[in-house]
Amino acid sequence: AQKVTQAQTEISVVEKEDVTLDCVYETRDTTYYLFWYKQPPSGELVFLIRRNSFDEQNEISGRYSWNFQKSTSSFNFTITASQVVDSAVYFCALTPNSGGYQKVTFGTGTKLQVIP
Amino acid sequence: KAGVTQTPRYLIKTRGQQVTLSCSPISGHRSVSWYQQTPGQGLQFLFEYFSETQRNKGNFPGRFSGRQFSNSRSEMNVSTLELGDSALYLCASSLGTEWDEQFFGPGTRLTVL
Repeated sequence: AQKVTQAQTEISVVEKEDVTLDCVYETRDTTYYLFWYKQPPSGELVFLIRRNSFDEQNEISGRYSWNFQKSTSSFNFTITASQVVDSAVYFCALTPNSGGYQKVTFGTGTKLQVIP
Repeated sequence: KAGVTQTPRYLIKTRGQQVTLSCSPISGHRSVSWYQQTPGQGLQFLFEYFSETQRNKGNFPGRFSGRQFSNSRSEMNVSTLELGDSALYLCASSLGTEWDEQFFGPGTRLTVL
């Protein structure tokens, strides 16, 4: 069985602070995909990143960066110099790398509030 | 390019009724997936349609069904509504290969009384 744990339910930071959202996962699959999504108050999920378990390189995209560590089964997400527009619920997700999204398991989400 | 649209945005039904939700994907996208989001169960995959055929299915009872039309628009139907069906139902579209990026609509919030 798969499991994704986002232990941080809510985080508040002041604008321009850096913030890291934690994601710890469990799976018996040897190959899998990890995802991060953003859900702003408007409701739609916004895809942020997909990472294959073969690729442990960290990734940076603008103010966003992701730290994938297979040894600790973690896929953490850092926002640098946070902005009010970053306020949203962020979901980490996991799925085996075959069969499409049907076996996706989402974490419970971390609500980020960026205070101006 | 227009995004994914879902109608209606809000819906109130009573137990035992049935409901149909609609999703119009991004032009050119052939895959439509449906997800249910509730405070208790979180986000869960319902099913995916590709070229008018159900390609993948999550672990939901048969009361949840869907279909896709030739123009890729999709509908989701829930029969014999239960209180626990109250949720935000999200639709996502993608080009169609297994791991294409999914683009989500704003959702339909269903309340069952």
